[in-house]
This record gives sequence, structure tokens and C-alpha cells, in this order.
Amino acid sequence: DIQMTQSPSSLSASVGDRVTITCRASQSISNYLNWYQQKPGKAPKLLIYTASSLQSGVPSRFSGSGSGTDFTLTISSLQPEDFATYYCQQSYSSPCSFGQGTKLEI
Amino acid sequence: QVQLQESGPGLVKPSETLSLTCTVSGYSISSGYYWGWIRQTPGKGLEWIGSIYHSGSTYHNPSLKSRVTISVDTSKNQFSLKLSSVTAADTAVYYCARDRFRSSGYYFSSDYWGQGTLVTVSS
Repeated sequence: DIQMTQSPSSLSASVGDRVTITCRASQSISNYLNWYQQKPGKAPKLLIYTASSLQSGVPSRFSGSGSGTDFTLTISSLQPEDFATYYCQQSYSSPCSFGQGTKLEI
Repeated sequence: QVQLQESGPGLVKPSETLSLTCTVSGYSISSGYYWGWIRQTPGKGLEWIGSIYHSGSTYHNPSLKSRVTISVDTSKNQFSLKLSSVTAADTAVYYCARDRFRSSGYYFSSDYWGQGTLVTVSS
């Protein structure tokens, strides 16, 4: 199975900051990489698919990049509602697998 | 608006079978997409369990495949999960979701999720 490793595990930031979260795959996954946002007590929400495509309804301050084994999620200007845990997920091979999460805190 | 809602017992005894149902509203299961289950534990994080198409075609996580049964009832716009021989390690929040698959048959993403239901395995 493909292992997904996110860094950092947690991150402190302020409203208005630019933030980058990294995800690394244990082998090449082309661009089959999704990003999800999860708030406490809620289900994950799809933000980005195929590394850089923004899911409908997601604000444009979220962006993704990368291919192969290294990927990033960037939030250009943090808003109060962005403080949450973010997960990457590979969908290159079965079973799909998730990173361990990055908790973004104020 | 597509909405999903999980239902089922919140407590299951060890060695018994966990059974959950997901009711979909705002979209007909028969119209397309796959419909799947994902669970989340503090220790292992998010884990894809499996997905089903309205025709009954299924994909499963090999780590759970021997214990998992996923079925669909298009007349009720529901799909279900059964996980047999449960242990404490199966204690988790279980989510149902609408899944997209690639034409090659590989999972692609989950774009709508239920709110999740906590299932505890304990005697």
C-alpha cells in the first residue's frame, strides 16, 4: 500500500497568513492526490482533487500543486473558518490512503 | 443538494456483526456514482472500507475485504455496510460518502459525506 506522510503535524498561524502544508507519497502517484478539510465533529470536506483542481464551491484562496511524490496545499490568506485539520489522500492505486493530518491552529 | 445520513447501532459486542445503513436524499443512487464507506479512528486515521455501484458492483479495501459486505437498495435509495467478527479495533466513526471512480475502476474521490456515526465495540 502507498503511505502518505504530511508535514507538519500541526501548525500555528494567524488570520491573514499564507500557509503551506506538504504531503509526500511513498511512491509516485502521478497527480492522483486529493485534499480534504475536517472541522471538529464534522465529516471531511473535499477541497482539491487531482492535485490542483478546486472542488466546486471551495474558495479560491485554497490551491494545490505537485506531482509524482511531493504535493502542497496552500491557503493564501487564512480566514477564521480555515482553522481545521487537513488531510491528503492518494487515489492512484487501491486501496486509496490518507495522510495522518495537519492540524492548523490559531 | 445531496445529503447522506448514517444510521445503526452505536454499540456492538465483540465477535458480532456491525451493521450500518446510509440513506441518500437529493440524488438518486441509480443515477450514477459509487457509494462508499470510510471510517476514522484516533489511532489509524481515515481508512477507506469500500464502495458500491447501483448495479451491485463493489470494491473493497483488501485489509477488510473478508469481513465486509456492502449492499445497495435502490428502491429505498440506501446502501449498507456489514462488518463481521468485530473487535475493539473496529471502534470508529463510520462515514458514508458519494464516491467518484475513474473509468479504469480506481477510486477517485469522495465529494459528499454523511455526518458520521460513532460505533463502539465493547461487551
